[in-house]
Amino acid sequence: DAMVIQNPRYQVTQFGKPVTLSCSQTLNHNVMYWYQQKSSQAPKLLFHYYDKDFNNEADTPDNFQSRRPNTSFCFLDIRSPGLGDAAMYLCATSRGGLAPNEQFFGPGTRLTVL
Amino acid sequence: AQSVTQPDIHITVSEGASLELRCNYSYGATPYLFWYVQSPGQGLQLLLKYFSGDTLVQGIKGFEAEFKRSQSSFNLRKPSVHWSDAAEYFCAAHSGGGADGLTFGKGTHLIIQP
Repeated sequence: DAMVIQNPRYQVTQFGKPVTLSCSQTLNHNVMYWYQQKSSQAPKLLFHYYDKDFNNEADTPDNFQSRRPNTSFCFLDIRSPGLGDAAMYLCATSRGGLAPNEQFFGPGTRLTVL
Repeated sequence: AQSVTQPDIHITVSEGASLELRCNYSYGATPYLFWYVQSPGQGLQLLLKYFSGDTLVQGIKGFEAEFKRSQSSFNLRKPSVHWSDAAEYFCAAHSGGGADGLTFGKGTHLIIQP
C-alpha cells in the first residue's frame, strides 16, 4: 500500500543535542509537509517542500531545518532541541498543483527532550 | 486572519447515540474543508473532505458532514457511535492551491460512554 512512513516512531534526545527525524513516502507526491503537534493542541505547520522548493512558515524558529534529498524522503533537523520542542512531529504529503487535494499523514514521531 | 474554530473541547456521547461535532471557519473565500481523526499516539486519518458541489459529503466509518455557507460551518455527524469512535477529531481547512498547509481547529475530544 502507498503510504507515508516516519522513523523513528519515538525519539529521545538530550537538551541541546541535535536530532533528525525522517519521513519517506511511496505516493510519489510533489509536496511534503512537517507539522508540530504539542500535547493536546492542534498540528501547526512548520514548513513544506514543493518538489525542491522550500517554504518556511514565518513563525517557525530557526532551530528547525529541513532537507529533501529526493522525491521520496524528507528530514526534519532540530539543531539544538529545547524542552519546549518536545512534541509529536507529523509528516504529510500531497500531490500539489492548482487543484485542491488532500494531505496524507504519517503516524508521527514523538520527540522527548531530557 | 484565516481560522478554524471547534467550539467543543470535549463531547461525551453514549454508545449508539447520534453525534454532531461543530466546526466553523473564517476565510475570505470558501476554503477547502476536511475532517481528520486521531487516535492516541497516532497520526491523522482523513474522514472526509469538501471541495465543491454537493454540500452533504459522505466519509469513511459512517461519518458525514454538511457544508453550510450561510453559517460558515462544516459540522461532522454520525447517526450511531461505536466505542471505537473515541478519539480526537480535527476540522481543517486550506484556502486553495495544492501546496497550502492546513489550518486546524483545536480539536474535539470524543468520549463514548457504555
